[in-house]
Amino acid sequence: KAGVTQTPRYLIKTRGQQVTLSCSPISGHRSVSWYQQTPGQGLQFLFEYFSETQRNKGNFPGRFSGRQFSNSRSEMNVSTLELGDSALYLCASSLDGYQTSYNEQFFGPGTRLTVL
Amino acid sequence: AQKVTQAQTEISVVEKEDVTLDCVYETRDTTYYLFWYKQPPSGELVFLIRRNSFDEQNEISGRYSWNFQKSTSSFNFTITASQVVDSAVYFCALSEANWGAQKLVFGQGTRLTINP
Repeated sequence: KAGVTQTPRYLIKTRGQQVTLSCSPISGHRSVSWYQQTPGQGLQFLFEYFSETQRNKGNFPGRFSGRQFSNSRSEMNVSTLELGDSALYLCASSLDGYQTSYNEQFFGPGTRLTVL
Repeated sequence: AQKVTQAQTEISVVEKEDVTLDCVYETRDTTYYLFWYKQPPSGELVFLIRRNSFDEQNEISGRYSWNFQKSTSSFNFTITASQVVDSAVYFCALSEANWGAQKLVFGQGTRLTINP
């Protein structure tokens, strides 16, 4: 079974630009979560999608948004990039959000975003 | 609010030594899940173990073992006879068992270096 895939793996942008990152979950997984990892703040939860609906959101500004498609693939978008948005963005999928016994999250390799 | 503390920022040991990674958590929920993830230099978070709050039984998997104690809110991870390949950053994480909420709260991580 293929794991979680994220594209692109590396991205360089300049301040003020916007960026879209993509995540394809493990086949059959319907929940997709996004996390930001930085040296200073560590791993922080951005948001989670299930059945094309955002179910949970972390404490990030509105510049960070996401969506999920009917095939469970998800995208996250960051508008008006700032230097502090440079980070590793990790996507995770889990089998079924309503079955609490199945909430292991499996992570993709991440997209490393550098903002210049 | 939920919080996970990994007091050990970095640990360095010589191969074949045993090493314990500490994790202390805070939550007001009575039902929750605890996790350990490994992050090798490649960046992808690798799931190691999940424990629910009702199961305090310790677990051993090969060279890995976990000690969950609700009385001290700790979920420690021990590697026996460490190997160079165990070198990675290890994260402890907490998830509330909330229907429809897939959100992990991570500790700051412990960087483990196994020297030959």
